Amino acid sequence: GQQLNQSPQSMFIQEGEDVSMNCTSSSIFNTWLWYKQEPGEGPVLLIALYKAGELTSNGRLTAQFGITRKDSFLNISASIPSDVGIYFCAGRESGGSNYKLTFGKGTLLTVNP
Amino acid sequence: KAGVTQTPRYLIKTRGQQVTLSCSPISGHRSVSWYQQTPGQGLQFLFEYFSETQRNKGNFPGRFSGRQFSNSRSEMNVSTLELGDSALYLCASSDGTSYYYEQYFGPGTRLTVT
Repeated sequence: GQQLNQSPQSMFIQEGEDVSMNCTSSSIFNTWLWYKQEPGEGPVLLIALYKAGELTSNGRLTAQFGITRKDSFLNISASIPSDVGIYFCAGRESGGSNYKLTFGKGTLLTVNP
Repeated sequence: KAGVTQTPRYLIKTRGQQVTLSCSPISGHRSVSWYQQTPGQGLQFLFEYFSETQRNKGNFPGRFSGRQFSNSRSEMNVSTLELGDSALYLCASSDGTSYYYEQYFGPGTRLTVT
């Protein structure tokens, strides 16, 4: 089945640094979603993207829908300790009536104060 | 609007038993999807229900089943539990009909099988 490659698997950074992570797929997607999950909780939706080339911000977070429609990027600027968590990308394949989302395996972010 | 709720939050069962988990979606949402999350496998899709019908299904054995009621609440059942079924079970709700497809997750049910 469809798989998403999310990288990096983990990051350990200093407070104040910027962070970048990305997801790539083998097929064309028409939706990209980015989630953050903290220990013991469900993932929380951060940003949703629906058009190739779209750039959307949510506070210090910015995500982009790649122009090839096979990738997406998430950037976090000026990281703070509460940014710690696992970040997941999710996407929906283009075409058909399949509403199923495919998830990446996540990027574990650790921020050192 | 209230978010997605899941009950119970924690559950301990023994091998061979069965378990039922419940999910109440966001008001107005008609789609409920279920996922299994484990450290090794990440988020794996179990199935999706829309208007009381299973619309999508993942690659899990028949021991995993679900249903959706007319008020969109959904239940997931696992029969003949195995140790490997220990996981965080998440449900997510969405409108399920529009092009702008966003899923919102509940807090999850942590199932431990001993």
